[in-house]
Amino acid sequence: GAVVSQHPSWVICKSGTSVKIECRSLDFQATTMFWYRQFPKQSLMLMATSNEGSKATYEQGVEKDKFLINHASLTLSTLTVTSAHPEDSSFYICSAQPPGGAITGELFFGEGSRLTVL
Amino acid sequence: AQSVTQPDIHITVSEGASLELRCNYSYGATPYLFWYVQSPGQGLQLLLKYFSGDTLVQGIKGFEAEFKRSQSSFNLRKPSVHWSDAAEYFCAVVGGNKLVFGAGTILRVKS
Repeated sequence: GAVVSQHPSWVICKSGTSVKIECRSLDFQATTMFWYRQFPKQSLMLMATSNEGSKATYEQGVEKDKFLINHASLTLSTLTVTSAHPEDSSFYICSAQPPGGAITGELFFGEGSRLTVL
Repeated sequence: AQSVTQPDIHITVSEGASLELRCNYSYGATPYLFWYVQSPGQGLQLLLKYFSGDTLVQGIKGFEAEFKRSQSSFNLRKPSVHWSDAAEYFCAVVGGNKLVFGAGTILRVKS
């Protein structure tokens, strides 16, 4: 299957700092990528839809100024958690939509990034 | 709105025993359905998917799922579970061009 890579796999930062997480589709061009957040023992919560060359679409309740998403190329989307606080600690997972995926909804997921804010 | 229900939060089976994980969905039209598996601290891996056609779908790692429209179900099955199958399993349906996930079922395998 297609490969989606996330980096870093885990990161620890101090409260008040910003952290950037990268999501790359390695073997296909993804015009659309999605960012999810997963709390311990819970399902994935969609945060935002990232479209190449345009602004991201955020889900209700997600602060767009706190979670900055950039999709500058067809293979890279970044999520920046700004002024991180301990409550932002979570597992963040990205996914990329392959060609034709807009119809089927099929996605390929990254390995996830665990953020711990001290 | 589309939704997915996985009634079982945890399931424990013995190695070698059969497995069935339940999934019920709510969607007005013909759904696109998926099963994903997540190992601890990892991303999600697609096990199988249903778009149309044969209602019994074969996936990777010996898994299969059956789409039953009358029951709005898409249960995941495996005839003989291996210890390496211990993980969390998510059922998902496409709704509004987004993937909507169930709460997940944690599978434990005892030897």
